[in-house]
Amino acid sequence: EVQLVESGGGLVQPGRSMKLSCAASGFTFSNYGMAWVRQAPTKGLEWVATISYDGSSTYYRDSVKGRFTISRDNAKSTLYLQMNSLRSEDTATYYCTRDRELFDYWGQGVMVTVSS
Amino acid sequence: DTVLTQSPALAVSPGERVTISCRASESVSTLMHWYQQKPGQQPTLLIYLASNLESGVPARFSGSGSGTDFTLTIDPVEADDTATYYCQQSWNDPTFGGGTKLELK
Repeated sequence: EVQLVESGGGLVQPGRSMKLSCAASGFTFSNYGMAWVRQAPTKGLEWVATISYDGSSTYYRDSVKGRFTISRDNAKSTLYLQMNSLRSEDTATYYCTRDRELFDYWGQGVMVTVSS
Repeated sequence: DTVLTQSPALAVSPGERVTISCRASESVSTLMHWYQQKPGQQPTLLIYLASNLESGVPARFSGSGSGTDFTLTIDPVEADDTATYYCQQSWNDPTFGGGTKLELK
């Protein structure tokens, strides 16, 4: 059974940093691209970033370029999202997803609240 | 970015047939996918590449379309189908529609 379990969320002040993790199991992690998708409270879904199966390629939405970094450790089957210079508009539930250009498995999500 | 437009909400009775539409601002060929999100839960994949049913999804769900106009059909609708439905394109950087909230009368 595929499982994606996010951790690392919480309350953070504007301008500060936070790192999310996603532990994957139930599939060969190193064979798949992975992504983060977020959802602001009462809003729709928004793709954030994607990383290729081997970590050699990364892609970001414009609003997070230069502030967020997606990375992975295939030996640990873990996906990361380093978020710097956080803004109030980054407040959302962040989902870890398996990315095959469609998102076929999703974690339960982790809430990030950016507020002073 | 490719903008996907969905109607915000629909209300139907159990047993009826419902169609949920998604219009793209440019052609995405058949690179369109549909998700269901029940309240308080993560989204789940229903349909991929416009018309392919994801494993484990009931055959009551079906998808059609190509180019700029796509449809998700549920027939017949059941009470458990109360959810928000999102389309997503993978022609270029992924974008989602705003979601269609399906309520049962």
